[in-house]
Amino acid sequence: AQSVAQPEDQVNVAEGNPLTVKCTYSVSGNPYLFWYVQYPNRGLQFLLKYITGDNLVKGSYGFEAEFNKSQTSFHLKKPSALVSDSALYFCAVRDPPSYNTDKLIFGTGTRLQVFP
Amino acid sequence: DTAVSQTPKYLVTQMGNDKSIKCEQNLGHDTMYWYKQDSKKFLKIMFSYNNKELIINETVPNRFSPKSPDKAHLNLHINSLELGDSAVYFCASSQGWGGGATEAFFGQGTRLTVV
Repeated sequence: AQSVAQPEDQVNVAEGNPLTVKCTYSVSGNPYLFWYVQYPNRGLQFLLKYITGDNLVKGSYGFEAEFNKSQTSFHLKKPSALVSDSALYFCAVRDPPSYNTDKLIFGTGTRLQVFP
Repeated sequence: DTAVSQTPKYLVTQMGNDKSIKCEQNLGHDTMYWYKQDSKKFLKIMFSYNNKELIINETVPNRFSPKSPDKAHLNLHINSLELGDSAVYFCASSQGWGGGATEAFFGQGTRLTVV
């Protein structure tokens, strides 16, 4: 079964410092990976995705993610954190086309706290 | 113009009642979903529909019945509500049936509280 793991419940970082939110995956075949962000009392917003191509994927709000096949990881990064980045971040994997489900499977989420 | 909209945003009801949550998307997507987010913020898929046809039913109790009158709408009806049904329910949609490459767009969520 497809799955993603987010090993950290919470990540704390000072404003202006680089941030990393970790995600590892377990899939059959090629991975289709996504990052979403959830602000308090809001829905999930799409940040970026990896389907194929360059290992470094750029997304919304200055976020990027690095796909590493050998380490089965897809860590979310940002060079300089903002207080407004504080939110809940979810890594997700989509079932491959052969499954015919289009199901999106989420990790447990990581709360990012950026301190002024 | 909201892409995926759900109503109501908040729903407080007593145990044993029946309630519905409505969802509409104006993105022209073929696939729609219901996800449940529990108190620990875990997100789990409940159902997915493609062009009004049920594709996924993730061992959800029979008290939950989705209905898709057309591909732009996916409603969720819940019978005999229980305390454990309290959660935030998210509707979502995506394009590319079987494509596996497109992101899903989520609604704002419906916070259901059963008392």
